[in-house]
Amino acid sequence: DIVMTQSPDSLAVSLGERATINCKSSQSVLYSSNNKNYLAWYQQKPGQPPKLLIYWASTREFGVPDRFSGSGSGTDFTLTISSLQAEDVAVYYCHQYYSTPALTFGGGTKVEIK
Amino acid sequence: EVQLLDSGGGLKQPGGSLRLSCATSGFTFSSYAMNWVRQAPGKGLEWVSTITSGGSTYYADSVKGRFTISRDTSKSTLYLEMNSLRGEDTAVYYCAKGSMSSRGGWFDPWGQGTLVTVSS
Repeated sequence: DIVMTQSPDSLAVSLGERATINCKSSQSVLYSSNNKNYLAWYQQKPGQPPKLLIYWASTREFGVPDRFSGSGSGTDFTLTISSLQAEDVAVYYCHQYYSTPALTFGGGTKVEIK
Repeated sequence: EVQLLDSGGGLKQPGGSLRLSCATSGFTFSSYAMNWVRQAPGKGLEWVSTITSGGSTYYADSVKGRFTISRDTSKSTLYLEMNSLRGEDTAVYYCAKGSMSSRGGWFDPWGQGTLVTVSS
């Protein structure tokens, strides 16, 4: 199975500042035949199910604010919140859907306000 | 609007059985893979099982041989039959719609979750 490692485990960022979350996969999730990275990002607020933010590593889901962006390729990926808002306090997970059937998740990164 | 409604959770003793359901609406149920993902208290997300649009099934090693995923296309409902329950199966179980007909793909949306507690 592909192991997804997120860093940091948690971070505290001031309102309006940038938050950066990293995700590293134990093997590449880039599919050469279509040049797509099989990597998604989710946001989970307390007491709620996860919500899709990003898929194909950098495609923002409809309705997701443009302060959220995804980047990276192969084994190294980043989720960036360009200007942290109070409503962005949550746990963020990366998810690889390249290697089936075990569609593994990262361990999560908790984002808080400093 | 796509909607997923999980149900069936509860308190069970170790060794017991439980069946979870996920009633869906707002999309062509038969055209997409469906998934179960669980989250132990205070922990991260763990993929449990997938059923493709064609009916192929896949399981995490931790539940293989004990859990069975199925779907009733006529009712647009997904199921997870859970047998030989263990304490480590305690978690909120989410159903999630796959973005593809096959086993790959991101998960969107997710049900609200149903809590399964295994304890004597």
